[in-house]
Amino acid sequence: DTVMTQSPASMSTSVGERVTVNCKASQSVGTVVAWFQQKPGQSPKRLIYLATNRHTGVPDRFTGSGFGRDFTLTISNVEAEDLAVYYCLQYDSIPLTFGSGTKLEIK
Amino acid sequence: EVQLVESGGGLVQPGSSLKLSCVASGFTFSSYNMHWIRQAPKKGLEWIALIYYDSSNKYYADSVKGRFTISRDNSKNTLYLEMNSLRSEDTAMYYCAKSNWEGMDAWGQGASVTVSS
Repeated sequence: DTVMTQSPASMSTSVGERVTVNCKASQSVGTVVAWFQQKPGQSPKRLIYLATNRHTGVPDRFTGSGFGRDFTLTISNVEAEDLAVYYCLQYDSIPLTFGSGTKLEIK
Repeated sequence: EVQLVESGGGLVQPGSSLKLSCVASGFTFSSYNMHWIRQAPKKGLEWIALIYYDSSNKYYADSVKGRFTISRDNSKNTLYLEMNSLRSEDTAMYYCAKSNWEGMDAWGQGASVTVSS
């Protein structure tokens, strides 16, 4: 199974700042990685697919990058509404595997 | 608008069975692969099953293999998850999600399953 090691587990930032979330795959997954945002009490929503492609309607403040084993989600100009838990997912191989999540708090 | 609506959750005793449904609308259900993903209380996401658009292939996580069965009825735009021999560790919110070659792009709101005596 491909393990997705996600970091940090949590972070606190101020509105307007830039944050990065990292995922490292235990083996190469090419670009077959997605990022999801889960706001409190809601189901997850896709932000990024195939590592770098923004889902329809997602603000361009959200950027995905990476290839192979290392992937990054960058949120620029953080807004208060970005309070959420962020998950990476590899869907290159079965079983699909998620990272453990990063909780973003807004100061 | 794509909609996925799960139902069938509830409180059940260990060892019992339950069948979840996910009714799809707003897209051509028979053209998409479908997944079940679960989330234990205060925990992360766990993929548990995938079924191809035509039911030709089904895949399961080891944690549910042999106990859970994924199926679909394209004439009813409905995805199912039959869960047998339920354990306390199966307590979770269960989500269905649609996907194509670009991956999962829409999720339902979830169905809550609690396994407890």
